[in-house]
Amino acid sequence: DSGVTQTPKHLITATGQRVTLRCSPRSGDLSVYWYQQSLDQGLQFLIQYYNGEERAKGNILERFSAQQFPDLHSELNLSSLELGDSALYFCASSVEGRTANTGELFFGEGSRLTVL
Amino acid sequence: KNEVEQSPQNLTAQEGEFITINCSYSVGISALHWLQQHPGGGIVSLFMLSSGKKKHGRLIATINIQEKHSSLHITASHPRDSAVYICAAGTGNQFYFGTGTSLTVIP
Repeated sequence: DSGVTQTPKHLITATGQRVTLRCSPRSGDLSVYWYQQSLDQGLQFLIQYYNGEERAKGNILERFSAQQFPDLHSELNLSSLELGDSALYFCASSVEGRTANTGELFFGEGSRLTVL
Repeated sequence: KNEVEQSPQNLTAQEGEFITINCSYSVGISALHWLQQHPGGGIVSLFMLSSGKKKHGRLIATINIQEKHSSLHITASHPRDSAVYICAAGTGNQFYFGTGTSLTVIP
């Protein structure tokens, strides 16, 4: 158990809809990262938050947004969903975060999104 | 061309064999990560490297910054090591994953 909790584990929805994925980091970790793993593109870095502020932005689509709340949990919002958004979405946390992706990462189990 | 490339893509080994997985990168990096992904999908971070060498149990990871290359070694491989091993590297907004090496260790 990494200590990182992601919900929901599975989600099935239709094109055009909007979903919210939630991540609770390990206790004490200030950084939250979001990654997307699709069959055709593999793993991609989406975005990082550190102590409530956006720290780094990767290949995140404009239809997607994220935020980190004062209690350090984070949400990834995916809107106007397309078939190609079907993927595993992983959240990871780390203690560090001043330079993105440099701390030891602890991954959640992922949220599997299926868009029909 | 991918910013992070791994080899081999697939690897089958007999239990007990010494295994090496290679990772080359073309971007500037603050750190390089080796990750393990089991068939169920969960990802575990094995190492984070910015220089030198790290060892954890039967796993050893090395990085050569000048050559932009890292290796993951598994000594005395075991069937429970069967998984996909993923190299990831970059800095800031530029963070890239390799396509993974699928390892199967046969008893």
